[in-house]
Amino acid sequence: LAKTTQPISMDSYEGQEVNITCSHNNIATNDYITWYQQFPSQGPRFIIQGYKTKVTNEVASLFIPADRKSSTLSLPRVSLSDTAVYYCLVGDLFQKLVFGTGTRLLVSP
Amino acid sequence: DAGVTQSPTHLIKTRGQQVTLRCSPKSGHDTVSWYQQALGQGPQFIFQYYEEEERQRGNFPDRFSGHQFPNYSSELNVNALLLGDSALYLCASSARLSGGATDTQYFGPGTRLTVL
Repeated sequence: LAKTTQPISMDSYEGQEVNITCSHNNIATNDYITWYQQFPSQGPRFIIQGYKTKVTNEVASLFIPADRKSSTLSLPRVSLSDTAVYYCLVGDLFQKLVFGTGTRLLVSP
Repeated sequence: DAGVTQSPTHLIKTRGQQVTLRCSPKSGHDTVSWYQQALGQGPQFIFQYYEEEERQRGNFPDRFSGHQFPNYSSELNVNALLLGDSALYLCASSARLSGGATDTQYFGPGTRLTVL
């Protein structure tokens, strides 16, 4: 299973764009990159998933360079309610999800 | 469309007791996975059920067992509870794809288990 490295914590202000980068140097050909958001005492919420280039949905964008050794989750114009832990996961569709400790994002007024 | 539901939301047990947690998957999903999340840590995979059989298992002792019913709902059983079993237990459901792969996993709200 590809190991991921992401910042332990990040701070931002309301209205700013937040970019969280995840490193996954050992990503395999069949691996996808998936991001989850989790609020305290709640289950993780799926945000976005991608394989290469750029993926965008109504919540976020995911940027994946050609070598796929890293990825960046972009949250446009964050609000206080985006304060949460964000997990980057890498694996193929046959694997169990392997969570790290995630990135704690704190959005301030 | 109901998402993944879990019951109960909270549970308090004492050491040595047994507990059963329940999960109903999202509509259209046939695969259920269970995770344990200790305070301050990311979720850890316990096992996955598909077609009423355990398909994958994480690094958890045999005290942890499960079951999947014909309607795809699932139970997680933990015997001989230890203090260290106190955690948030999460259920995730997904749809099986061709060749044995699974689609995106969607999580329930979890059951908070406290062992005294």
